[in-house]
Amino acid sequence: AQKITQTQPGMFVQEKEAVTLDCTYDTSDPSYGLFWYKQPSSGEMIFLIYQGSYDQQNATEGRYSLNFQKARKSANLVISASQLGDSAMYFCAMREGRGTYKYIFGTGTRLKVLA
Amino acid sequence: DGGITQSPKYLFRKEGQNVTLSCEQNLNHDAMYWYRQDPGQGLRLIYYSQIVNDFQKGDIAEGYSVSREKKESFPLTVTSAQKNPTAFYLCASSIGQARSSGANVLTFGAGSRLTVL
Repeated sequence: AQKITQTQPGMFVQEKEAVTLDCTYDTSDPSYGLFWYKQPSSGEMIFLIYQGSYDQQNATEGRYSLNFQKARKSANLVISASQLGDSAMYFCAMREGRGTYKYIFGTGTRLKVLA
Repeated sequence: DGGITQSPKYLFRKEGQNVTLSCEQNLNHDAMYWYRQDPGQGLRLIYYSQIVNDFQKGDIAEGYSVSREKKESFPLTVTSAQKNPTAFYLCASSIGQARSSGANVLTFGAGSRLTVL
C-alpha cells in the first residue's frame, strides 16, 4: 500500500504568489517524521522542512511552512512569495518510528514558477 | 564544507559489466543509504548501513551489492544481475538515530546517472 501520496504531478504558480503542494500519508505508528525535499534539474535532493508527529506547532523555515493536519494525515508544503528559482520537483517523505532507517518517498510534484 | 561526494556523475555500462558508484561523506554521519530514482517515480531504497561493517537490504536490493569498510565510504556495485540498471542513483547519509535529536534528516549527494548501452 502506498504510504506517501502526492496527487499533483505538476503545478504552476505566478512569481510572488503562494503555492501549496499536497501530501498525504498513511501509518499506524504514533511516532513518525515528515520531510519535504526539493530536487532541481541538477538532481541533488535539498532538505526543506521537517515535522515530527508529536510537534504541536506547524514547522516553518523561511518561505516554507508545513501545514500539518494529523487527523487528516496530511502534510502540505506551503511556499510563500514564489521565486523563479523555486521551479523544481518537490518530494514528500516519511520516516516511521524512531528506530527505523527506512524513509518512504512520494512520487513528487513538479512546480513551475511563471514570470 | 561538509557534504557527500558521489562519483562519477555520469557512467555508461555495457551489458554484462559490473560498475561501482562511489559515495564519500565528511559529515561524521553514522548512517548511509543508496536510493534509485526512475522517471516519474519517487526514490526507492536499495541498501542502507547504520554502522561500519554492517548493512541491510532495502526494497530493491537484487542485483546490487555494497560494502561499508569505513565510516566515510559506502560504495554501490551494480552487478550484471541487475536487469534494468539505467537510472539515477542517489547516496545519502544521516547522523543516525542514536545521536539524532529526532529529525534525523537525510543529506544527499549530487547523484550518479547510469546508462546501459
